[in-house]
Amino acid sequence: DTGVSQNPRHKITKRGQNVTFRCDPISEHNRLYWYRQTLGQGPEFLTYFQNEAQLEKSRLLSDRFSAERPKGSFSTLEIQRTEQGDSAMYLCASSPNMNTEAFFGQGTRLTVV
Amino acid sequence: GESVGLHLPTLSVQEGDNSIINCAYSNSASDYFIWYKQESGKGPQFIIDIRSNMDKRQGQRVTVLLNKTVKHLSLQIAATQPGDSAVYFCAESGGNEKLTFGTGTRLTIIP
Repeated sequence: DTGVSQNPRHKITKRGQNVTFRCDPISEHNRLYWYRQTLGQGPEFLTYFQNEAQLEKSRLLSDRFSAERPKGSFSTLEIQRTEQGDSAMYLCASSPNMNTEAFFGQGTRLTVV
Repeated sequence: GESVGLHLPTLSVQEGDNSIINCAYSNSASDYFIWYKQESGKGPQFIIDIRSNMDKRQGQRVTVLLNKTVKHLSLQIAATQPGDSAVYFCAESGGNEKLTFGTGTRLTIIP
């Protein structure tokens, strides 16, 4: 197992376009988390899944954001009608259980121009 | 590579010396804590964790201390090496299952 994998690593998009990111967690990890990180800040929680169920969403996750984990394995995060303020590093993490170590992927760097 | 944090608290330590990075948390219900290391352009890397029923835990060259009375966490790195240069984040979790991160500390090891 090579750890949490995120694709793409970098994405440049024009304002108003839709983008989708993918996260492949560590095998058999039930929990999958999405975070956003901007320069000079720690990661901020967006949402998390236990298997295919989305259990919590941050208020940071506006209506333009949607996340899915249809089969309880990989997850996608879509941002519709991107804005410049969406520019950030989007991080995915997975863990086997509640309150156990969460392992992060390398992130997807989004730049909205 | 990109810079993770431009206005972070910074700590510079001579190579071979020990370093201590501190973190204060605010949620008294937090019962699980993790230290992460983040290098430029990469995702956070798990270093060590500790649960609230412990006050100290040791790993390889790292020790985490937890003081629940004053809600303070520290990471000690022994015999620092150039590869230890990075931004270090503490993260806490309590009941709501999501990790809440601190602002981070940039550690620079001086050769």
